[in-house]
Amino acid sequence: AQTVTQSQPEMSVQEAETVTLSCTYDTSENNYYLFWYKQPPSRQMILVIRQEAYKQQNATENRFSVNFQKAAKSFSLKISDSQLGDTAMYFCAFMRGSARQLTFGSGTQLTVLP
Amino acid sequence: KAGVTQTPRYLIKTRGQQVTLSCSPISGHRSVSWYQQTPGQGLQFLFEYFSETQRNKGNFPGRFSGRQFSNSRSEMNVSTLELGDSALYLCASSPDRGLFTGELFFGEGSRLTVL
Repeated sequence: AQTVTQSQPEMSVQEAETVTLSCTYDTSENNYYLFWYKQPPSRQMILVIRQEAYKQQNATENRFSVNFQKAAKSFSLKISDSQLGDTAMYFCAFMRGSARQLTFGSGTQLTVLP
Repeated sequence: KAGVTQTPRYLIKTRGQQVTLSCSPISGHRSVSWYQQTPGQGLQFLFEYFSETQRNKGNFPGRFSGRQFSNSRSEMNVSTLELGDSALYLCASSPDRGLFTGELFFGEGSRLTVL
């Protein structure tokens, strides 16, 4: 079974600053995806960024980037130039192959301060 | 393209009753999966349906069931409700294997309160 651990329940960052959210996972699989999803107060889960395990290059999406350390089973999210709209709960998630079944971490509540 | 639609958005039930939640996936998506979100247990996978067949099932009691119709719309049912079933129930859809990029598209959820 897979497990996903987020050790930071809450974090805050000043607007325009950079913040890094941590995530570790445990799996014996070789073919998997890792994700960061964002859940704002409106509740709708939105994909922030996706990483396929076989790709060595770290994924980037505009202000969002990941540091994927496969051997260490670590998958951190860096948010640059933080904006007030980034305030949300962030979930790290694992998907085995194309199984359509996500295993989520416990989440990190990020607050961007003006 | 319309997103994933879940109904109802909010509902209140009493212990022992049953409830049915509905999910309409994005047009063209044939996979629908369900998740339960609670403060104590976090986000947990319930089950996934594809072409009217359950493909995967999480570790939930038999009181939790689901089905999918030929138009890919899905329903989940919880019978004999318990207080611990109070949760946000999220539905997510995704396209077929050839178009699948790993992303699940989530609805806004149905908030169930059991009194």
